[in-house]
Amino acid sequence: GEDVEQSLFLSVREGDSSVINCTYTDSSSTYLYWYKQEPGAGLQLLTYIFSNMDMKQDQRLTVLLNKKDKHLSLRIADTQTGDSAIYFCAEKKDTGRRALTFGSGTRLQVQP
Amino acid sequence: EADIYQTPRYLVIGTGKKITLECSQTMGHDKMYWYQQDPGMELHLIHYSYGVNSTEKGDLSSESTVSRIRTEHFPLTLESARPSHTSQYLCASSEWVVRTSGGGKADTQYFGPGTRLTVL
Repeated sequence: GEDVEQSLFLSVREGDSSVINCTYTDSSSTYLYWYKQEPGAGLQLLTYIFSNMDMKQDQRLTVLLNKKDKHLSLRIADTQTGDSAIYFCAEKKDTGRRALTFGSGTRLQVQP
Repeated sequence: EADIYQTPRYLVIGTGKKITLECSQTMGHDKMYWYQQDPGMELHLIHYSYGVNSTEKGDLSSESTVSRIRTEHFPLTLESARPSHTSQYLCASSEWVVRTSGGGKADTQYFGPGTRLTVL
């Protein structure tokens, strides 16, 4: 299977919370990232979490990591229309000097 | 936050032309990367560099080549563009982020805005 998997699409109403999920397969992954990509733009780093942490909160963003299940989630509180974008989960493996491995991205659509 | 620039943002070119996509970063990062991304799809690493005169191929086979003569500059070249090269090309650079407690480092990548290449 793929190294990093995400659901393709999520639609929420403005003001609701959004939860974007990601699963990964490599237990040697030490760092996990969330990136945001708006149409026609590059990737913007939102947040990252070390693999020995369970949770990280940064303003409206909360990252939860279940290392046992290899499951990562990004919760966006009070979702706004400006949050509409594609969100990529990525892992950094602790083997060798390699770049990040990305999921296929989750398209978040926020309806007013 | 890293400053990383890519030019051109958009390029439409005919088959057989030689093209160079530019990428520059002003943060002194040693590591730089090129990813290829089809619209709405995942990123695939095609080249990376860990410093001057160090370049390696990534996970996805690519007919492009790269060079790293200066720390801040990591251009990607296609000697003879083909329609199959149509894609978005994203450049990234990274720094080590040292944890404030418990040690450990994260390799956090910052991305440029991308170059959307169309080969007719």
